[in-house]
Amino acid sequence: NAGVMQNPRHLVRRRGQEARLRCSPMKGHSHVYWYRQLPEEGLKFMVYLQKENIIDESGMPKERFSAEFPKEGPSILRIQQVVRGDSAAYFCASSRADQETQYFGPGTRLLVL
Amino acid sequence: GESVGLHLPTLSVQEGDNSIINCAYSNSASDYFIWYKQESGKGPQFIIDIRSNMDKRQGQRVTVLLNKTVKHLSLQIAATQPGDSAVYFCAEKGKAGTALIFGKGTTLSVSS
Repeated sequence: NAGVMQNPRHLVRRRGQEARLRCSPMKGHSHVYWYRQLPEEGLKFMVYLQKENIIDESGMPKERFSAEFPKEGPSILRIQQVVRGDSAAYFCASSRADQETQYFGPGTRLLVL
Repeated sequence: GESVGLHLPTLSVQEGDNSIINCAYSNSASDYFIWYKQESGKGPQFIIDIRSNMDKRQGQRVTVLLNKTVKHLSLQIAATQPGDSAVYFCAEKGKAGTALIFGKGTTLSVSS
């Protein structure tokens, strides 16, 4: 049973470009969460989605960041006009609707030059 | 505000010893706690979880203890192995939200 999948694993962007991070949840999981991790720090919650709905985006910056989880296909975290401060590891987690345990993917490491 | 912290940023043990990693949380309303292990360059890996209606839960070589009186969580690893070397995070989940709140992590180093 495949775990949470994320791609790309590494992404390099220049300032001002767009970054698109993709996440496919585990089979049977309908809830997706995005977290950001800066070096030497813990993970910080960004957004929680269910299919076609954003449930909680309280941790996501109001500007430049958006997320979606369409009916078909992976969840996408989109960062527009990236700045150097966006450089971080972005992790996706998924869970079943009836369980609280969140399982994490391998992450996408974004580097903004 | 809500926060989860760890007592020690690093812990060094000898192979075969038992390890204890501690965590203090501040939100008495939290009802779910979880420990993750994160190896370099990888995502957090689930180890064990516990609900607030329990004070102890055991897994394979790991035990989580929850002391709600002092808001303290600990992870015990029996017979620690070199493969246990990683950063360990505790996280809590409050009743009001669905997000996990993470601490900064404890780096466990196991020497042979």
